[in-house]
Amino acid sequence: DIQMTQSPSSLSASVGDRVTITCRASQGIGNDLGWYQQKPGKAPKRLIYEASTLQSGVPLRFSGSGSGTEFTLTINSLQPEDFAIYYCLQYTTYPHTFGQGTKLEI
Amino acid sequence: QLQLQESGPGLVKASETLSLTCSVSGGSISSSSFYWGWIRQPPGKGLEWIGSIYYSGGIHYNPSLKSRVTISVDKSKNRFSLRLSSVTAADTAVYYCARDAILDSFDYWGQGTLVTVSS
Repeated sequence: DIQMTQSPSSLSASVGDRVTITCRASQGIGNDLGWYQQKPGKAPKRLIYEASTLQSGVPLRFSGSGSGTEFTLTINSLQPEDFAIYYCLQYTTYPHTFGQGTKLEI
Repeated sequence: QLQLQESGPGLVKASETLSLTCSVSGGSISSSSFYWGWIRQPPGKGLEWIGSIYYSGGIHYNPSLKSRVTISVDKSKNRFSLRLSSVTAADTAVYYCARDAILDSFDYWGQGTLVTVSS
């Protein structure tokens, strides 16, 4: 199985900050990576797919980059609604595997 | 707009079988571009993929659950189902169904349903 390691596991930031979350794959996955945002009591919402393609309707302050084994999610100018848990997902092969999550706190 | 809705008992006794159904509306489960998957999330923990099924019957299971999981599809009713046998407290989780696009994986999700395993 491909292991996905996210860092940091938690992150404190302020409104207006720029933050970066990293996801590392245990083996190369090309660009078969998605980023998801989850708020309490809600289903995950996809933000990014194919490592860098923004999901329709997602604000432009979200961006993704990387390929192979190292990927980043960047959020520019944090807004109050961005405080949530973020997960990466590799889907290059089954079993699909998620990172352990990054909790973004105020 | 595609919608997915999980349904099933919210309480299951230990050692019994958990059964959930995901009803799909606003699109066909028989589309050639998609698998249909189950993901779970224990309280306060991360996401775990359980398995995904293609409308024609092709299935992938998480090896860690494979011996206890059965996923099936009912094309006539546009829905798919999950069965997890011999449950324990460790299977207590919110269970989500989702569309698993062949090109880029989970794009649409159900709202999730909490299943609690009682002793």
